[in-house]
Amino acid sequence: GQQVMQIPQYQHVQEGEDFTTYCNSSTTLSNIQWYKQRPGGHPVFLIQLVKSGEVKKQKRLTFQFGEAKKNSSLHITATQTTDVGTYFCAGQNTGGFKTIFGAGTRLFVKA
Amino acid sequence: DTGVSQNPRHKITKRGQNVTFRCDPISEHNRLYWYRQTLGQGPEFLTYFQNEAQLEKSRLLSDRFSAERPKGSFSTLEIQRTEQGDSAMYLCASSPTQGAVTEAFFGQGTRLTVV
Repeated sequence: GQQVMQIPQYQHVQEGEDFTTYCNSSTTLSNIQWYKQRPGGHPVFLIQLVKSGEVKKQKRLTFQFGEAKKNSSLHITATQTTDVGTYFCAGQNTGGFKTIFGAGTRLFVKA
Repeated sequence: DTGVSQNPRHKITKRGQNVTFRCDPISEHNRLYWYRQTLGQGPEFLTYFQNEAQLEKSRLLSDRFSAERPKGSFSTLEIQRTEQGDSAMYLCASSPTQGAVTEAFFGQGTRLTVV
């Protein structure tokens, strides 16, 4: 079945350093979404990417969708302590309703 | 509060008992999802409703699991004969059908502990 792999599993950074998490799907995706989950909280939607090669920015966050629509990345510039949490990618196949989440990358930021 | 509401927030049950969880989605959202999340993992898809129709169901949803959305509004997830392996956070999410973005709004979840 479809799988969505995410690396790294966790990352520790010093405040001000950059952070990147990568997502790879075993199948071509219709779209990919990114969510953030704070410790003890629920996933909160960040963004959706639909087009091949698409790049979107939200302040210090940059999201990319690969040309083959099978991989994606989230890059955070100059991390802050408020960035702490787990970042999940979630992919949907064309014509399907199922959203498959990756296992997430947990980000720790040391002040 | 106009967000997705889930009840109860916590449930402790003995192995073999039945449990039922409720989800009230955002009122104008036609799509409703159930997920299960265990520690250190991402949400795992269980089932999807569009209005009252259950359009997709994971193979993970064994015959002990059943979900309903009888009037296309709130939904219930029932687990019969609970097992310790059912212990997890059960998340409900809803999303609108209009527009290209299918953002899912998650509830706070119901944490199930089977003892």
